[in-house]
Amino acid sequence: AQSVAQPEDQVNVAEGNPLTVKCTYSVSGNPYLFWYVQYPNRGLQFLLKYITGDNLVKGSYGFEAEFNKSQTSFHLKKPSALVSDSALYFCAVRDGSGGYNKLIFGAGTRLAVHP
Amino acid sequence: AAGVIQSPRHLIKEKRETATLKCYPIPRHDTVYWYQQGPGQDPQFLISFYEKMQSDKGSIPDRFSAQQFSDYHSELNMSSLELGDSALYFCASSRGAKETQYFGPGTRLLVL
Repeated sequence: AQSVAQPEDQVNVAEGNPLTVKCTYSVSGNPYLFWYVQYPNRGLQFLLKYITGDNLVKGSYGFEAEFNKSQTSFHLKKPSALVSDSALYFCAVRDGSGGYNKLIFGAGTRLAVHP
Repeated sequence: AAGVIQSPRHLIKEKRETATLKCYPIPRHDTVYWYQQGPGQDPQFLISFYEKMQSDKGSIPDRFSAQQFSDYHSELNMSSLELGDSALYFCASSRGAKETQYFGPGTRLLVL
């Protein structure tokens, strides 16, 4: 079965510093990986995805993620954090069993960026 | 750009009542997914539709049913509501079953 793990419940970063939100995956077959962000009382916003190709994926709002097959990781990164990046971040894997594609989410990591 | 629309945004019901949640996908999106997010939890897949046919089913209680209509909007019908059904219900849509899912703002259901 497909799964993702986010080992950190919360990440604290000072504004202007680089940030990393960790995600590891377990899949059978090729991984299709996603990052979504959830602001309070809002829906999930798509940030980026890895399907195939370059291991470094660039997404919205200056975020990027590095796919590492040997470490089965897909960590989310940003070179310089903003206070407005504070939100709940979900890593997800697409479960294509049966030919369709529901998302399996990790538990989420709360990012707090301090001024 | 147009986004996924969900209505209502908030809903308060009593135990054993029924509720209907509506989802209007992004134009030209033919696939709709429903997810349930309990307090402090990650979203859990409930059910999906592709071209108006049920395509996949997750942990959806038998008390819940859903369908996708000819205009591609979808409705999630919930009966005999229980306190544990209190959650945020998301709808997502994609253009094709293998494309990126875009989420709506969610419907927050509170069962008293």
